[in-house]
Amino acid sequence: EPEVTQTPSHQVTQMGQEVILRCVPISNHLYFYWYRQILGQKVEFLVSFYNNEISEKSEIFDDQFSVERPDGSNFTLKIRSTKLEDSAMYFCASRPPDPLYNEQFFGPGTRLTVL
Amino acid sequence: GDSVTQMEGPVTLSEEAFLTINCTYTATGYPSLFWYVQYPGEGLQLLLKATKADDKGSNKGFEATYRKETTSFHLEKGSVQVSDSAVYFCALSDLYNQAGTALIFGKGTTLSVSS
Repeated sequence: EPEVTQTPSHQVTQMGQEVILRCVPISNHLYFYWYRQILGQKVEFLVSFYNNEISEKSEIFDDQFSVERPDGSNFTLKIRSTKLEDSAMYFCASRPPDPLYNEQFFGPGTRLTVL
Repeated sequence: GDSVTQMEGPVTLSEEAFLTINCTYTATGYPSLFWYVQYPGEGLQLLLKATKADDKGSNKGFEATYRKETTSFHLEKGSVQVSDSAVYFCALSDLYNQAGTALIFGKGTTLSVSS
């Protein structure tokens, strides 16, 4: 069964460093998402991406964040200068092409630890 | 804005006990409602969903009914197993809201089932 994959599973970085989190969505999906979950808190929406551009973003997704689909398979989240409060689990998700089919399929997540 | 409230955990039950996890929502449009489950060390998996009022979603013995009059989507299972131990998230997605495709999650409820 197709699944969303994410790498790495755990990333440790120093404050101020750039990180890139990688996701491979399900191959025929067209809508892509990033969410994050700070330890002990709810899962929060960051950004959605469709047709090679951001379709919506939350207030969390500030200028330090960017997303890219560099080729036909990968979908990346970049944090330019990490802060301690960026430490969280980051989930990628994708959705099938039918706009009325709003089920999202999630990857296993990347745990980001900022020291 | 749209929001989801679910009961705080942890919920601790013995095997074969009855499970209820409460979830209520606030939405301005016509949301679809979801329950996602996160097993230890894994990503979010869709457990069940309902797309309109009075729909009942069901899967793996779990059920939830979309109640528009009480804005609720409570998760139930008649007889839990140890393997049901996980974190359960209630979520909504409002297709007709301008911020429509993002999933809005509750905080999650940890279920622990002992034999």
